[in-house]
Amino acid sequence: DAKTTQPPSMDCAEGRAANLPCNHSTISGNEYVYWYRQIHSQGPQYIIHGLKNNETNEMASLIITEDRKSSTLILPHATLRDTAVYYCIVRVADRGSTLGRLYFGRGTQLTVWP
Amino acid sequence: NAGVTQTPKFQVLKTGQSMTLQCAQDMNHNSMYWYRQDPGMGLRLIYYSASEGTTDKGEVPNGYNVSRLNKREFSLRLESAAPSQTSVYFCASGVGRAYNQPQHFGDGTRLSIL
Repeated sequence: DAKTTQPPSMDCAEGRAANLPCNHSTISGNEYVYWYRQIHSQGPQYIIHGLKNNETNEMASLIITEDRKSSTLILPHATLRDTAVYYCIVRVADRGSTLGRLYFGRGTQLTVWP
Repeated sequence: NAGVTQTPKFQVLKTGQSMTLQCAQDMNHNSMYWYRQDPGMGLRLIYYSASEGTTDKGEVPNGYNVSRLNKREFSLRLESAAPSQTSVYFCASGVGRAYNQPQHFGDGTRLSIL
């Protein structure tokens, strides 16, 4: 299974960009990188995902290195409400069993301060 | 748009009691999942259902049973609750064998076993 490595915690000033790194050196060619976040033990919230190219949506941008061994989630203008645990997940494309299950690690606790 | 709805939100049980956690989704998704989350940990997959009428074990299925009642509903049953099953339980749904589509989560059921 492709695993991910994230720093346990980071902080960021409100209004600044938050750049959250993730290493996934064993990722396979057909596996997607997903980012979720969890606020105050609510259900995980989907943020963004990508395969090879950089992606952007209304919440964030995802930058994937050319060798796909690492990625960075960028929150361009962090707010206090972005304080959460952020999970970088490689979606395992194991067609024989668990439907591309999501493996959650411990994530990165992002704290946005005023 | 409710998304994924879980009931109850909180529950306290005594050891040996049984109960069923309910989950319903209104997104017409084929696949549904049950995860548990213990303090300071990521989510672990208990059971999943690829489609109506099918269920399969995840990584921590012992002590649980599931029923995919119809396309919308997926329930998780604890037949004889144990303190080790104290956890937060999350239900999720997804399109299915589409690795480029995210799973969506409910807000969880917080379960304490005394």
